[in-house]
Amino acid sequence: ILNVEQSPQSLHVQEGDSTNFTCSFPSSNFYALHWYRWETAKSPEALFVMTLNGDEKKKGRISATLNTKEGYSYLYIKGSQPEDSATYLCAPDVSGTYKYIFGTGTRLKVLA
Amino acid sequence: SQTIHQWPATLVQPVGSPLSLECTVEGTSNPNLYWYRQAAGRGLQLLFYSVGIGQISSEVPQNLSASRPQDRQFILSSKKLLLSDSGFYLCALKRNTEAFFGQGTRLTVV
Repeated sequence: ILNVEQSPQSLHVQEGDSTNFTCSFPSSNFYALHWYRWETAKSPEALFVMTLNGDEKKKGRISATLNTKEGYSYLYIKGSQPEDSATYLCAPDVSGTYKYIFGTGTRLKVLA
Repeated sequence: SQTIHQWPATLVQPVGSPLSLECTVEGTSNPNLYWYRQAAGRGLQLLFYSVGIGQISSEVPQNLSASRPQDRQFILSSKKLLLSDSGFYLCALKRNTEAFFGQGTRLTVV
């Protein structure tokens, strides 16, 4: 069973705060991990694709780290802005299956 | 580059009516194709995926079915819609580690 969990489920922060959330995925047969920013009823926007243990990627104020041995990834947002409000999804690529399943998502609300 | 065409963008259908949502792909061949649904207040749930013509894997037993009559065409269907089928439906293709998404269909069953 491919189980992908994200925490917290939702998060409210003040503008300017930094925040982070977690994606947990099966560490066996790991191939890659994707992070997306998603607004309801729209297409997900790709943020990062990460493959190597210890990998760290950055895009503006958003960064992510990856631990493939223990099966987790963190997404960090520095100095949150109201426009960062969205749901953040992760999705692992696992060898041996063509399933592509999203995590449960973290819904972020940044208050002005 | 790959593009996905998904239509219609919005749809209002009565309970008990049939459904057909179409997703077509350009710019690639033999893609893996996926149908997802977002129900109210929930995340994106995988409904079906296909790795080739006529090959469909179903993830969640439900009132829906999928077909892949051509390499670049993926169809989501229902014979009789239920109120619980309302939601946002999203088609996606995957090539290696890259995923591409359609614009989605917002379905309201009334």
